[in-house]
Amino acid sequence: KAGVTQTPRYLIKTRGQQVTLSCSPISGHRSVSWYQQTPGQGLQFLFEYFSETQRNKGNFPGRFSGRQFSNSRSEMNVSTLELGDSALYLCASSLAGGQNTEAFFGQGTRLTVV
Amino acid sequence: TQLLEQSPQFLSIQEGENLTVYCNSSSVFSSLQWYRQEPGEGPVLLVTVVTGGEVKKLKRLTFQFGDARKDSSLHITAAQPGDTGLYLCAGDYGNNRLAFGKGNQVVVIP
Repeated sequence: KAGVTQTPRYLIKTRGQQVTLSCSPISGHRSVSWYQQTPGQGLQFLFEYFSETQRNKGNFPGRFSGRQFSNSRSEMNVSTLELGDSALYLCASSLAGGQNTEAFFGQGTRLTVV
Repeated sequence: TQLLEQSPQFLSIQEGENLTVYCNSSSVFSSLQWYRQEPGEGPVLLVTVVTGGEVKKLKRLTFQFGDARKDSSLHITAAQPGDTGLYLCAGDYGNNRLAFGKGNQVVVIP
């Protein structure tokens, strides 16, 4: 069965621009979470979507947003990019059937803001 | 504030040696996962521990969950260069939320 797919793998953007990243979860998984990973902060939780609704949200500014479609595919958007937004953005899917969540990650999108 | 603290942050050992890394928290988790991440890739799930005191083995890797379900350790026996990577622990603190530590960077020198 196919794993989590994230596109694109690499992206270079200029300060002030906006960007959209895509994530296709494992078939049958209804929960999609997004994380930002940087060397200094590690993995920081952005938000989680389940059945097209944002169920959990981390402590990131409103420039970071996301959505989930009826087929569970998800996108995240970052507007007015800043240099500090350069990071590896990871998407994880899970069954979301209750406790003991096991997350399966994609390869990530490496975003560089110049 | 980091919910999970991992130590040591960086560890370099020779092939064939043993190592132990730790994941500690003041919070109780319903379960805890360990992942390994290689450069430029996403984390890959290694194991999930659920019961306090539980020990799980994955070939040369031994994972232990603390009795109080607040901490965990990962022990690697006779480390190989293929064990090199960033080991991340993640605690499930309910409502489908995972909190990650910053990781233990392990380098095994041939």
